Amino acid sequence: EAQVTQNPRYLITVTGKKLTVTCSQNMNHEYMSWYRQDPGLGLRQIYYSMNVEVTDKGDVPEGYKVSRKEKRNFPLILESPSPNQTSLYFCASSLGTGGQPQHFGDGTRLSIL
Amino acid sequence: GQNIDQPTEMTATEGAIVQINCTYQTSGFNGLFWYQQHAGEAPTFLSYNVLDGLEEKGRFSSFLSRSKGYSYLLLKELQMKDSASYLCAVRNTGGFKTIFGAGTRLFVKA
Repeated sequence: EAQVTQNPRYLITVTGKKLTVTCSQNMNHEYMSWYRQDPGLGLRQIYYSMNVEVTDKGDVPEGYKVSRKEKRNFPLILESPSPNQTSLYFCASSLGTGGQPQHFGDGTRLSIL
Repeated sequence: GQNIDQPTEMTATEGAIVQINCTYQTSGFNGLFWYQQHAGEAPTFLSYNVLDGLEEKGRFSSFLSRSKGYSYLLLKELQMKDSASYLCAVRNTGGFKTIFGAGTRLFVKA
């Protein structure tokens, strides 16, 4: 089954404790992206990747890092999480950057205390 | 600046037709998408417009006017399961960045 898999689905942690949210897709998609979704603000793009070893900042990249060492994986790293990063995070992938829609993972709800 | 505006909430009756509007101001344009998102779930793709006009897909249609920076999603024969948030999203030139509106929460009542 074609899918985007995120882990963990839920995480409660404390300020300053490094964490990684993994994202993997099995559709051989070139494009992958991370979003955060907050009430009233909608989805905001954090980082995106056009292909292996090619990444760039979205609209809200501060406090986040990403890597794309393999085509299928696109982890999101919070080196020193802070409470303002408490949010619902979605990973997405698409075959390309034209009319191809993005396929979203089920989301990761992060709470930083 | 870049901005996408949609109504926050709408209510409609089962079996009726509803139109959800979206206006956008973005730096470049490479297509407009509509996604559906049920509470607690991931967004799923509904429609795509890159040229002006109407795209029809079953009970759902989407319209685009690039000169006006305007799109709408039309849902016909509403069903209770259509109660969800509807997200308007614009891909910028090059297609690498996508900007989403805050979403329109649609309530379908019996």
